[in-house]
Amino acid sequence: AQSVAQPEDQVNVAEGNPLTVKCTYSVSGNPYLFWYVQYPNRGLQFLLKYITGDNLVKGSYGFEAEFNKSQTSFHLKKPSALVSDSALYFCAVRDFNTGFQKLVFGTGTRLLVSP
Amino acid sequence: DAGITQSPRHKVTETGTPVTLRCHQTENHRYMYWYRQDPGHGLRLIHYSYGVKDTDKGEVSDGYSVSRSKTEDFLLTLESATSSQTSVYFCAISEPGAAAAPSSGANVLTFGAGSRLTVL
Repeated sequence: AQSVAQPEDQVNVAEGNPLTVKCTYSVSGNPYLFWYVQYPNRGLQFLLKYITGDNLVKGSYGFEAEFNKSQTSFHLKKPSALVSDSALYFCAVRDFNTGFQKLVFGTGTRLLVSP
Repeated sequence: DAGITQSPRHKVTETGTPVTLRCHQTENHRYMYWYRQDPGHGLRLIHYSYGVKDTDKGEVSDGYSVSRSKTEDFLLTLESATSSQTSVYFCAISEPGAAAAPSSGANVLTFGAGSRLTVL
């Protein structure tokens, strides 16, 4: 079965410092990987995706993610964190088992950016 | 959250009562989904729909049913609510497309604002 793991429940970083939110995946075949963000009392918002091509994917709000096939990872990064980046971040992978475009989500990582 | 409306946004009910959550979209997207969000579990798929009257089960479908009589509406029903169904429920929509194309919108889900359900 397709799955993703987010090993950190919470990541703390100071404003202006680089941030990394980790995600590893387990799939059969080529992975389709996604990052979503959830702000308080809101639904999830799409940040970026990796389907194929360049291993460095750029997304919304200055975020980027690096696909690493040998390490089966898809870590989310940003060069300089903002307090407003504080939110819950979810990694997801497409489940191809049924032939339908379903996503399987990780358990989420809370990012706290301190001033 | 534009284009997707969930109702009610908050509901408190008692064990054993029926509950229906509604998802309404104005995007004319073909695919619709119901997820539940729980601490430590992330989001788990309950049911999904790939067209009017076409639905299927997700990974946590026990105790839930769905209906889709129109493209724009996807209803989630708890026939007899239990405390384990206390959760935040999210509706999502997406469009089919060339999934293998990086620029395609396929696989990109757009979520509603959520419905918080408490079962006492």
